[in-house]
Amino acid sequence: SQQGEEDPQALSIQEGENATMNCSYKTSINNLQWYRQNSGRGLVHLILIRSNEREKHSGRLRVTLDTSKKSSSLLITASRAADTASYFCATEANQAGTALIFGKGTTLSVSS
Amino acid sequence: DGGITQSPKYLFRKEGQNVTLSCEQNLNHDAMYWYRQDPGQGLRLIYYSQIVNDFQKGDIAEGYSVSREKKESFPLTVTSAQKNPTAFYLCASSIVGGYGYTFGSGTRLTVV
Repeated sequence: SQQGEEDPQALSIQEGENATMNCSYKTSINNLQWYRQNSGRGLVHLILIRSNEREKHSGRLRVTLDTSKKSSSLLITASRAADTASYFCATEANQAGTALIFGKGTTLSVSS
Repeated sequence: DGGITQSPKYLFRKEGQNVTLSCEQNLNHDAMYWYRQDPGQGLRLIYYSQIVNDFQKGDIAEGYSVSREKKESFPLTVTSAQKNPTAFYLCASSIVGGYGYTFGSGTRLTVV
């Protein structure tokens, strides 16, 4: 089962613009994480937000979490061509001994 | 340098053959995971292990087997019972309980 659903599926922007990706999930969570994947490569962990947090920043990344709506957003500010990649949200259920469940991802294309 | 290594990078399997994908980590992580990724799709969980000599099935375990005899190693065998094994396989590791995952660079398996 895939817990998270990202929206949009694909996003094309110009360098310098902001990119916003959304993630919805279904069950209670311990935390939500965002990952990046360059084509044909492994995933890289970007940021983790716990269920009792509402917003978190890391460099040009800003993540919000709304547990009442079971949704999260990832904002990348001042996008660069190097940000071109697929972005996935993943949730850790509020239950011991589980593994991350990933969504289908958003493909971001940043053109110069 | 600490990291997680998957080998081989590319693997070709004939119909009816079993093949084993290697995953080794030197991060001293207790937990290890196997995911499958199909084109344009998210990651689906095959198996995971949070301690040596113990592992749990994920959402798509049928046709796969694993072992966890050492903390550092979590090999995945794709058996002949897996009818559609062509995919990108990703291994990951983590500290147990609420932390981000470190991913390997993946193995691309093709049935010929």
